[in-house]
Amino acid sequence: KAGVTQTPRYLIKTRGQQVTLSCSPISGHRSVSWYQQTPGQGLQFLFEYFSETQRNKGNFPGRFSGRQFSNSRSEMNVSTLELGDSALYLCASSQIGYEQFFGPGTRLTVL
Amino acid sequence: DQQVKQNSPSLSVQEGRISILNCDYTNSMFDYFLWYKKYPAEGPTFLISISSIKDKNEDGRFTVFLNKSAKHLSLHIVPSQPGDSAVYFCAAKRPNNAGNMLTFGGGTRLMVKP
Repeated sequence: KAGVTQTPRYLIKTRGQQVTLSCSPISGHRSVSWYQQTPGQGLQFLFEYFSETQRNKGNFPGRFSGRQFSNSRSEMNVSTLELGDSALYLCASSQIGYEQFFGPGTRLTVL
Repeated sequence: DQQVKQNSPSLSVQEGRISILNCDYTNSMFDYFLWYKKYPAEGPTFLISISSIKDKNEDGRFTVFLNKSAKHLSLHIVPSQPGDSAVYFCAAKRPNNAGNMLTFGGGTRLMVKP
């Protein structure tokens, strides 16, 4: 089975812009979660989608949003980018109650 | 409030010896625990997990121990190999009806010296 794929792998944006990141889960996995990794805050949960519905949301501002499509692919969007949004954004997919498998991440740099 | 903590930011061991990585948690609602290994600029790789109804789970060189009363888990790697050098994260999950959200510890950098 192919693993979790994320596109793009690298992004450079400027403050105030918006960005959309994409994640394709492992075939058959219906749950997709997003995490942010920064040196200071570690790995933090953003949100989880299951069957096109947001099931959990972490403690992030409303500038961070996401969605899931009927084929389980997911996107996350960050609007009005700030310097502090520079991070590695990770997507993970799983079947319910099982281990989460992570993609390689998207490295976002905000200038 | 950090619900999952890894108090050792780094650990150095000799090749062939045992590596022991520790993790503490505070939320008694967690019922499933996982260990991930991570290289820079890559996503975490799942290593091993344990349900709260067990106190030990073994997979090859990796063993995870869970002490529920102490809210403590540990990962043992025996024997340690240079390729094990990476950052290790423990993570905790609440019951399935609460979704798949993982709460991560801050990570421990393991260095295995040849």
